Amino acid sequence: QKEVEQNSGPLSVPEGAIASLNCTYSDRGSQSFFWYRQYSGKSPELIMFIYSNGDKEDGRFTAQLNKASQYVSLLIRDSQPSDSATYLCAVMTSGTYKYIFGTGTRLKVLA
Amino acid sequence: SAVISQKPSRDICQRGTSLTIQCQVDSQVTMMFWYRQQPGQSLTLIATANQGSEATYESGFVIDKFPISRPNLTFSTLTVSNMSPEDSSIYLCSVGTAEAFFGQGTRLTVV
Repeated sequence: QKEVEQNSGPLSVPEGAIASLNCTYSDRGSQSFFWYRQYSGKSPELIMFIYSNGDKEDGRFTAQLNKASQYVSLLIRDSQPSDSATYLCAVMTSGTYKYIFGTGTRLKVLA
Repeated sequence: SAVISQKPSRDICQRGTSLTIQCQVDSQVTMMFWYRQQPGQSLTLIATANQGSEATYESGFVIDKFPISRPNLTFSTLTVSNMSPEDSSIYLCSVGTAEAFFGQGTRLTVV
């Protein structure tokens, strides 16, 4: 059973702080990793994707991937109340176009 | 990214009835995906819909319960048949093999 694990939270951070969201996955052959943001009652929207070990930065967001540890994280710098949402980690299973989603981490940014 | 229109956005249905959800994409895509998101849960893939062939269902999902049509490269439907309260979920269509993009979702309540 291929799995993606996330801490459900809520993770509370003050406005302006760095939010760190973590995700582990079980399929060592996974190639592609994604972070989605989902506001309550809305569909998921893609924030970041990462394919290679290391860091990938896009504005206030940084995705980090460590394939040896089967670990992917998302850092949100200068967190804003508008960042309050559930963040879903998704992994594309090897050899397919199918995604396995984690259960999501609920982030609350306190003004 | 693709623009995906999904309807209805929500519905309340009587148990034992069926509901057909439509998904329209603004560009031709080979694969379309249908997900279910139960309350407080993450996304679970129901099936993959390819134009010109039968949909491929994931473990735990069967064609009799979730028949899917894919008449062309921009459109698909998912029917939830013989509904029970356990079918109350958000149903999402998705496209994209490199990154997944989602429709707005259909919030289904079965009473």
